[in-house]
Amino acid sequence: SQQGEEDPQALSIQEGENATMNCSYKTSINNLQWYRQNSGRGLVHLILIRSNEREKHSGRLRVTLDTSKKSSSLLITASRAADTASYFCATTRSGAGSYQLTFGKGTKLSVIP
Amino acid sequence: GAVVSQHPSWVICKSGTSVKIECRSLDFQATTMFWYRQFPKQSLMLMATSNEGSKATYEQGVEKDKFLINHASLTLSTLTVTSAHPEDSSFYICSARDGLAGYQETQYFGPGTRLLVL
Repeated sequence: SQQGEEDPQALSIQEGENATMNCSYKTSINNLQWYRQNSGRGLVHLILIRSNEREKHSGRLRVTLDTSKKSSSLLITASRAADTASYFCATTRSGAGSYQLTFGKGTKLSVIP
Repeated sequence: GAVVSQHPSWVICKSGTSVKIECRSLDFQATTMFWYRQFPKQSLMLMATSNEGSKATYEQGVEKDKFLINHASLTLSTLTVTSAHPEDSSFYICSARDGLAGYQETQYFGPGTRLLVL
């Protein structure tokens, strides 16, 4: 079942601006991951943050995790037109051997050149 | 590394026919593969978890007789949509985790298969 909720559902920004997307979830998690999907394509893994981590960086991406609020944010700095895609958060629930991902509804990002 | 392929990338079929979709891990051994479906402008819904050499575990509400999953080798899982109907039209995506990488949380996704049932 879907437990993640992203907001906003859609975001339109100018190239060069920063984009922030948020994700909330309901159960205890082992980790939270962010994926990107170009229209009609598969998913590309962006970044994983574990439940005991609070912040993680990868290039222009910055992810935060607040387990007390059961929420995460993905920040893309200095956005480019090529960043236009849908972004999904996905959680892995706490529990031994639990590898299943539960996806949020996604945020559709449009970066205008 | 960690490439997952799907075949076919798209398929159009008549109502009542069966369609087989293949998911392959190209450069690693996938002890576990996952099958998702995605409706337009919606998120991915997990359909089933497929473990090599054993029966798939289906999510609630997914008909196992309708969506047959076979994971006969460490690099191949197949999803067969039996007696497909227009409501089965969707984007089907598989993912795989590297079984030899210990507790590997990352899943590698295939490019997806778009199914249109007329």
